[in-house]
Amino acid sequence: RKEVEQDPGPFNVPEGATVAFNCTYSNSASQSFFWYRQDCRKEPKLLMSVYSSGNEDGRFTAQLNRASQYISLLIRDSKLSDSATYLCVVNGGGSYIPTFGRGTSLIVHP
Amino acid sequence: SAVISQKPSRDICQRGTSLTIQCQVDSQVTMMFWYRQQPGQSLTLIATANQGSEATYESGFVIDKFPISRPNLTFSTLTVSNMSPEDSSIYLCSVTDGEKLFFGSGTQLSVL
Repeated sequence: RKEVEQDPGPFNVPEGATVAFNCTYSNSASQSFFWYRQDCRKEPKLLMSVYSSGNEDGRFTAQLNRASQYISLLIRDSKLSDSATYLCVVNGGGSYIPTFGRGTSLIVHP
Repeated sequence: SAVISQKPSRDICQRGTSLTIQCQVDSQVTMMFWYRQQPGQSLTLIATANQGSEATYESGFVIDKFPISRPNLTFSTLTVSNMSPEDSSIYLCSVTDGEKLFFGSGTQLSVL
């Protein structure tokens, strides 16, 4: 079983749609959780951290469920510019090296 | 967040040759990481570059193929040696603030 699993997609949605991604992790001792965004042939960039209490940044909402060991990312009112790959990253749990999911591809079309 | 300058941004190389990628950070950092991302895949950690000691390589990666230098706390290089087409990939350096990762802009390598 992979340490961090994501549905690779692609998720193909129209502008204005709401889309949600999930990510599951296997190490119950993990301590830090993040969503990164990666555009084609570019480096990953931090989108947002994920806290137990959940956090929201504009159209983006991230949540953590420790009991079920998954994190989620909700994007409301999708824009064309949201098209990218979204990487789930988990850190801690005995290792200082973050673990990446393989990413979920989002395509927002007109 | 750290600002990381990585170069070259891209290169096309002949098989059997070597390419050295450089990363310069605008602040002192304890750990730097080198990742590879093959087409359509997620990031794979090659090694952790340690200042003052040898790099720590992940399973499947060896020093002879990917020698790393870390002469100080703001700079590191990764060399891809004796390249083959299978080495065509994006190579990324990264630093951490202890929790989050920050990446250089990547080196897109194509080996003919």
